[in-house]
Amino acid sequence: TQLLEQSPQFLSIQEGENLTVYCNSSSVFSSLQWYRQEPGEGPVLLVTVVTGGEVKKLKRLTFQFGDARKDSSLHITAAQPGDTGLYLCAGPPQSGTYKYIFGTGTRLKVLA
Amino acid sequence: SQTIHQWPATLVQPVGSPLSLECTVEGTSNPNLYWYRQAAGRGLQLLFYSVGIGQISSEVPQNLSASRPQDRQFILSSKKLLLSDSGFYLCAWSVLAGMGEQYFGPGTRLTVT
Repeated sequence: TQLLEQSPQFLSIQEGENLTVYCNSSSVFSSLQWYRQEPGEGPVLLVTVVTGGEVKKLKRLTFQFGDARKDSSLHITAAQPGDTGLYLCAGPPQSGTYKYIFGTGTRLKVLA
Repeated sequence: SQTIHQWPATLVQPVGSPLSLECTVEGTSNPNLYWYRQAAGRGLQLLFYSVGIGQISSEVPQNLSASRPQDRQFILSSKKLLLSDSGFYLCAWSVLAGMGEQYFGPGTRLTVT
């Protein structure tokens, strides 16, 4: 069974600080997705990483896929209150199945 | 572009009453459709998924059911709600040939009183 564990579970930081969220597994994934969910809304897809070692940037957010495609990280530079939310990593279904694998989530709060 | 709608946005229902939540997708054909439930501050629990009209797979035994009467319509129902059915319900879609992306609706907040 594929599992995705995220750390930290909770993070409260001051505006302007940097942070990194980790998404780890013992299984290889063909790709990993990162979502952000704000309170009372559905998760919004931020990025998909596909190639081992890949780095993608989305403004102040930097996403990296591990070389072995078993882990990923999300780094936020100079966090802002608008970054507050639940960050979820997810992996696509294994061949022959339809069930997505979701990480345990990281709840981020950025204080002004 | 693709759009996913859910309604109602918020619902307060008494215990024992029926439930019907609706999800529709625009701009894509033959999507895979999913219903998730999310407890407060928690992760996503997959309830049902569908790969085509009339094809429903259940992940968790419970008093909820799902139906897919049309290609881009997915309905979550219950005959008698329980207090434990309270939560945030999310509908999502994906395409079989995609890189794994799943797209979520805005959600329905259900409170059973």
